[in-house]
Amino acid sequence: AQKITQTQPGMFVQEKEAVTLDCTYDTSDQSYGLFWYKQPSSGEMIFLIYQGSYDEQNATEGRYSLNFQKARKSANLVISASQLGDSAMYFCAMRGANTGGFKTIFGAGTRLFVKA
Amino acid sequence: NAGVMQNPRHLVRRRGQEARLRCSPMKGHSHVYWYRQLPEEGLKFMVYLQKENIIDESGMPKERFSAEFPKEGPSILRIQQVVRGDSAAYFCASSPGLVAGGNGEQYFGPGTRLTVT
Repeated sequence: AQKITQTQPGMFVQEKEAVTLDCTYDTSDQSYGLFWYKQPSSGEMIFLIYQGSYDEQNATEGRYSLNFQKARKSANLVISASQLGDSAMYFCAMRGANTGGFKTIFGAGTRLFVKA
Repeated sequence: NAGVMQNPRHLVRRRGQEARLRCSPMKGHSHVYWYRQLPEEGLKFMVYLQKENIIDESGMPKERFSAEFPKEGPSILRIQQVVRGDSAAYFCASSPGLVAGGNGEQYFGPGTRLTVT
C-alpha cells in the first residue's frame, strides 16, 4: 500500500532563513510522482513542485527545491529565504502508476510558522 | 483560462439535510476527482469520474454519499442525511486525461467547506 509520512506536525523558521520539511514515502510502484502542496489559511491547495521517480535531477521551482533520495524513499521540501507569506500547511503527496495512477495520497501535513 | 471552480465555497447544513457540492473542471478537462479533508488532516481520495462514468469510488463511504459527472454540467457530490462527522473541506480536482504514471497534474479547486450543525 502507498503511504506518505510527515513526522513534523509544526515547524518554526526565522524569516530569510532556509527550512526543510520532511517527507518519507512507501510504495511498491516503480513509476510514481511526488508532489508538494501549500495550503494557506484561506484553504486552497497550491501546487508547489513535482518530482518523477525516474528524474535524476532534484526538482527546483524558484525558492522551492525537492531533495529526492530514492533509496531512502524520502522527498524533503527545502524552502530557501523564507518569507512571512510562507506560513501555511504543507502537504507531501504521491501518485503511483500501478495503483490506479489517479489517487493522490497525501501526508498529514506540516504547519510552518515563519517568524519576523 | 478559468481554473477548477467549486460552489458553494461554504455550506452549512443541519443534521439530516442533504448537501450538494458542485465542481466545474477546467476547460478541456474530462476527468474529475473528489477528495475530503477532515480537520487537521491531509486530503483523502473519494472518487474518480469521467463524463457519465464512475471509474473508481473506492474512497467513498458506502452509504449516503454519491457522485456524478453528467454529459453536460458540473460534477456533483451529494451527501444525504448529513451528520456532524461529514463536516470537512471537500476538494475537487480535474485533469485533461488519465494522469497515470504519476506524471501530469491534477488541478485543484478552492474547496467547499461543509459545516453540519
